[in-house]
This record gives sequence, structure tokens and C-alpha cells, in this order.
Amino acid sequence: KNQVEQSPQSLIILEGKNCTLQCNYTVSPFSNLRWYKQDTGRGPVSLTIMTFSENTKSNGRYTATLDADTKQSSLHITASQLSDSASYICVVSALTGGGNKLTFGTGTQLKVEL
Amino acid sequence: KAGVTQTPRYLIKTRGQQVTLSCSPISGHRSVSWYQQTPGQGLQFLFEYFSETQRNKGNFPGRFSGRQFSNSRSEMNVSTLELGDSALYLCASSLERQGAKSPLHFGNGTRLTVT
Repeated sequence: KNQVEQSPQSLIILEGKNCTLQCNYTVSPFSNLRWYKQDTGRGPVSLTIMTFSENTKSNGRYTATLDADTKQSSLHITASQLSDSASYICVVSALTGGGNKLTFGTGTQLKVEL
Repeated sequence: KAGVTQTPRYLIKTRGQQVTLSCSPISGHRSVSWYQQTPGQGLQFLFEYFSETQRNKGNFPGRFSGRQFSNSRSEMNVSTLELGDSALYLCASSLERQGAKSPLHFGNGTRLTVT
């Protein structure tokens, strides 16, 4: 069964600090992995999309890594800001006969405090 | 470029009623997919439409249905509402089929409360 597990479930950090969110998956056959940021009361916004051959991808202060061998990904946030407070969702796409199928993690709730 | 628009933003219905939610995708996007989001289950895939045809379906009962029009706008219908249908319903559009390399662009959702 395809699964995506994220850790930690929630995290509180001080503004200016760095943090790393984890995503482990058992999805196959693998197509791509995405990270989304969802602010409270809003829809998710895409941060990065990585394919099998991409190990690292950055989007401003967000850097995602992918290890396709161990089926792990991480999202590193540098110099956190209050606006980074949100839920971060890892999504893995699998190739199927009927097209790609997405499996969603349940997210990591990040709170950045002063 | 306008983003994905979902209407209405909030909806309160009673058990047994039916409801129709609307989604206008980003101009030029042909794929529209629908998701249910609840605190306990996270995001769950309902169905995807591409060029007016349902291409993929999640594990939801037949009470959940949808359609896509020739201008790519999409509607989702839920009949015989149950308390457990209370959730945030998100619509996303993309250039390619969902799951391909193109990112999904989500609307801000319709918050449905069933009493």
C-alpha cells in the first residue's frame, strides 16, 4: 500500500532558527515528490517538485532533498520567519496505468514564535 | 493571472440535503482535481477531470460526483449529505494531468458544514 509519513507532526521554533521536516514514503513506482505549504484557511501552495534524478531543489529559504534509494525527503527552512507558520505537506506521485496517482502525507504543523 | 476560484467559500447544510460546489481553474489549465481535507485524514483525492472527462477517481461513495464543462470549469456534487461529509473541499488545476511534473494550483476551498 502506498503511504507517505511525515515527521514531526508539529514543531515550534523561534524566529530566525532553522528547521528540517521529514517525509518517508513507500510509493511505487515513483514519479515525483512535492512539498506544499498550506496557511490556515488557504489552499496549499507548491514549494518544490522533484523527480527521481533530482537530489536537491531550492525555493528561496526552502530547500528540499530527495534520496530515492532510501525513499526519504526532507524540507529545510533557513532563517525562519513568522510567515513560515503553516502546515507543510509532502505529496508523492506514482506512475499507474491510469495516469499518476498522488499520495498525501498528513503534514507537519510548524509554528514560528518570537 | 487569476488563480483558482472556488465558490462558495462557506456552506452550511443539513443531513440528507445535497450540495454543489464550483471551481474555476487558471486560464489554460485543462486538469481539475478535487480533494477533501479533514483534520484527521489530511487531503484525500476525490476525482480528476481532464478535457471534460473523468480520468481518475478516489475511494469515495457514489454520492460524490462531478463534471467539467468545455471552458474547464468544474462542479462537484454531494447528495444525501452525512455529518461525516463536513470538511474543507479543495479544487486544484494544472496544465497537465495531476501527478505529472506540473504543479497543482489550489483554490482556497469551500468549507462545508453538515448539521
